[in-house]
Amino acid sequence: AQSVTQLGSHVSVSEGALVLLRCNYSSSVPPYLFWYVQYPNQGLQLLLKYTTGATLVKGINGFEAEFKKSETSFHLTKPSAHMSDAAEYFCAVIPLSGGYNKLIFGAGTRLAVHP
Amino acid sequence: NAGVTQTPKFRVLKTGQSMTLLCAQDMNHEYMYWYRQDPGMGLRLIHYSVGEGTTAKGEVPDGYNVSRLKKQNFLLGLESAAPSQTSVYFCASTSGLAGGYTSSNEQFFGPGTRLTVL
Repeated sequence: AQSVTQLGSHVSVSEGALVLLRCNYSSSVPPYLFWYVQYPNQGLQLLLKYTTGATLVKGINGFEAEFKKSETSFHLTKPSAHMSDAAEYFCAVIPLSGGYNKLIFGAGTRLAVHP
Repeated sequence: NAGVTQTPKFRVLKTGQSMTLLCAQDMNHEYMYWYRQDPGMGLRLIHYSVGEGTTAKGEVPDGYNVSRLKKQNFLLGLESAAPSQTSVYFCASTSGLAGGYTSSNEQFFGPGTRLTVL
């Protein structure tokens, strides 16, 4: 069965530092790939997604992610962290087989940004 | 345009009590989903629906029932609550393709319901 692994349940960075959140998927056929963000006591909001085409995907709030098929990875980055980026981030996939757009989530990474 | 709304926002139950969580969407989406979120486990799919009158089991369906009598509403029921069902529950919806084929359409999430079972 398809699975999603997020390396690091907690990541802490300084304001202005690079943010790197790691995500790997398990299937040999690349699925659709997503990053969602959850701010405290809120629902999930889509940051970006990869379907086909250009492997570097830009999202909201200055985030981007790169799809690397050879590494089965879809890591999320942001060049300069802001205090407002503190949240939990979820990597998720929709396998191409199975239908009905069912998302499979990673365990999440909580990002802390300190001054 | 409210998007996806959930009722209630918080609830405390005693073991064995029942309750229903309501999800409503105003985007005319065909597909709706119920997830539970537990620390360190991400979100896991409980049940989903691909249209009015249809429901299907997800990854963790035991102890839950669902109904979709109207396209805009998706109800999640707990018949006899257990402490293991203490969680945050999220509803989501998306537009679907005819025949159920997979697409990359975004799922829109509600704000969640925090449920504690004592």
